[in-house]
Amino acid sequence: QSALTQPASVSGSPGQSITISCAGTSSDPTSYTFVSWYQQHPGQVPKLIIYEDNKRPSGVSNRFSGSRSGNTASLAISGLQAEDEADYYCCSYAGSSIYVFGTGTTVTVL
Amino acid sequence: QVQLVQSGAEVKKPGASVKVSCKASVNTFISHYMHWVRQAPGQGLEWMGVINPTGDGARNAHKFQGRVTMTRDTYTSTVYMELSSLTYEDTAVYYCAREYYSSMWYKAFDIWGQGTMVTVSS
Repeated sequence: QSALTQPASVSGSPGQSITISCAGTSSDPTSYTFVSWYQQHPGQVPKLIIYEDNKRPSGVSNRFSGSRSGNTASLAISGLQAEDEADYYCCSYAGSSIYVFGTGTTVTVL
Repeated sequence: QVQLVQSGAEVKKPGASVKVSCKASVNTFISHYMHWVRQAPGQGLEWMGVINPTGDGARNAHKFQGRVTMTRDTYTSTVYMELSSLTYEDTAVYYCAREYYSSMWYKAFDIWGQGTMVTVSS
């Protein structure tokens, strides 16, 4: 199973909105579902911020939102803040108890 | 709040095996699927496999087939991941993670261990 494709980096100014994509390859027939997103600050443990494509765990800011269309998922961050500077990973269920992570995206707040 | 506490850092020689443990602070963990994820230095997250709540079923990513064994001890609320035939490319932080459940399994990882650094060095 190949990793899902994410942009290596995305940047934005404070207050702006950014979007991170997460896509399966066009040649991959796998149906990806139950996309989750994780935030990881340097040296820290990943933190779940979105599950089942678009749901937020309790305590996660509503500035984070997720969506999915077919085999492409997206994470949007609105009202960008300095604390949002981190690495973000998508993860998807690929069926048959197999999971796949995305390649990861570094978000920089300018 | 459930915590997952992993065993300490390991240094192994190429060809050796390593066994990492992950102990839950409360016994409710016995009803959860438990996953293992690794992260090589400066690299992304990589899903390795999952063990079911009763410990009698596990599934691994294709690249680890034949090299990884996942087990669990429900009496001590501990899960284990053993990786054999280590190479330098196995140098990474290894995480255990609990699958999120709230009336259904959501196939996401809501609680993570602190990570165990495994270094493969001659």
